[in-house]
Amino acid sequence: DQQVKQNSPSLSVQEGRISILNCDYTNSMFDYFLWYKKYPAEGPTFLISISSIKDKNEDGRFTVFLNKSAKHLSLHIVPSQPGDSAVYFCAAREVDAGGTSYGKLTFGQGTILTVHP
Amino acid sequence: DTAVSQTPKYLVTQMGNDKSIKCEQNLGHDTMYWYKQDSKKFLKIMFSYNNKELIINETVPNRFSPKSPDKAHLNLHINSLELGDSAVYFCASSQRQGPYEKLFFGSGTQLSVL
Repeated sequence: DQQVKQNSPSLSVQEGRISILNCDYTNSMFDYFLWYKKYPAEGPTFLISISSIKDKNEDGRFTVFLNKSAKHLSLHIVPSQPGDSAVYFCAAREVDAGGTSYGKLTFGQGTILTVHP
Repeated sequence: DTAVSQTPKYLVTQMGNDKSIKCEQNLGHDTMYWYKQDSKKFLKIMFSYNNKELIINETVPNRFSPKSPDKAHLNLHINSLELGDSAVYFCASSQRQGPYEKLFFGSGTQLSVL
């Protein structure tokens, strides 16, 4: 029962073009969504986040869009650079019925992004 | 000067053995976690400690026992290792970043049970 899914195992784009990574979720108790980036032999590092009350958050070349009705979010990278080649994980934070978070994140299985020069 | 460091990086062992993975963070965070990345690549939370108190304990076999001697350390001890325990284990710590927690991960421990 995977509550966060990234259905594209890999994505290949040309340098300078847009990369779009997708993520779907099922749990309505998720209140924050985060993207993490992971290079080989390293741990995931935080990239960008979005609250469930927003539909867009932008940070430089990275923009995350949230479609709450569709339970779908996406990460756009424009323009893509070879250094962006990594595994990207979508994650969602869950709160309990009282709105308390214990920092528990549910991750997707990741999408391998390859940006070709 | 690694923020979250875990040792060892690789661990190869036989079924039935007991092993430990150590984790230390120098970020001054109050909360630490253990995550497991399984064969399908999902990162799943196992445990979380806040100020040495266990606050998240997912459905994990009793063979896994976390121990937090102080805020900066969270170790994972695994008894009677099984083939299915083979995975990459990530330690993490977090601080409140405005309205959400920002997790900082170690580089992982690849456990192979033969």
